[in-house]
Amino acid sequence: SQELEQSPQSLIVQEGKNLTINCTSSKTLYGLYWYKQKYGEGLIFLMMLQKGGEEKSHEKITAKLDEKKQQSSLHITASQPSHAGIYLCGADNNAGNMLTFGGGTRLMVKP
Amino acid sequence: GAGVSQSPRYKVAKRGQDVALRCDPISGHVSLFWYQQALGQGPEFLTYFQNEAQLDKSGLPSDRFFAERPEGSVSTLKIQRTQQEDSAVYLCASSQLVATWGTEAFFGQGTRLTVV
Repeated sequence: SQELEQSPQSLIVQEGKNLTINCTSSKTLYGLYWYKQKYGEGLIFLMMLQKGGEEKSHEKITAKLDEKKQQSSLHITASQPSHAGIYLCGADNNAGNMLTFGGGTRLMVKP
Repeated sequence: GAGVSQSPRYKVAKRGQDVALRCDPISGHVSLFWYQQALGQGPEFLTYFQNEAQLDKSGLPSDRFFAERPEGSVSTLKIQRTQQEDSAVYLCASSQLVATWGTEAFFGQGTRLTVV
């Protein structure tokens, strides 16, 4: 089965700093999803990547999928307290009936 | 409704008690998923429905866990004889797509189950 490893597990940054979260897969990624979760809430979809080398941006968040399609990174520029939460990467199992998630990265942004 | 609705939001159960968790998906969504998220972990897949058919229940951890979606809309996850290790947030997601997760899957806010 596919396994996703996220790093770091937790991160505390000063407001305004940039940060990167990584997601590494044990198998080729057919679809890689990034979600954000706030405490006590469900998952909010951020971005989906499918093609090797693909890069997408939304506001100050950029996600990339490497050429070999086994690693993705999420980069936040000029972090704000509103970016705080748990970031989760999820991989499509290629049968379309579920996502496998990584363990999550807990981000705290200090004002 | 506008989104996926789960109830109750919080549930405290005594060990050995049976519980039922409800998920109201977005109207018309064919696919429905249940996930279990233990504290400090990512969500773990439990089961998948396409309309009323339960196509995958490979993630259910034991025969104490049972899920149904009798009319292809509302789904209920039932846990019998709850144990402390069942304490987790139970997330429901629905999608109008089949055979692909896609960008159209939406999650509910989850039910936080605490077994004491």
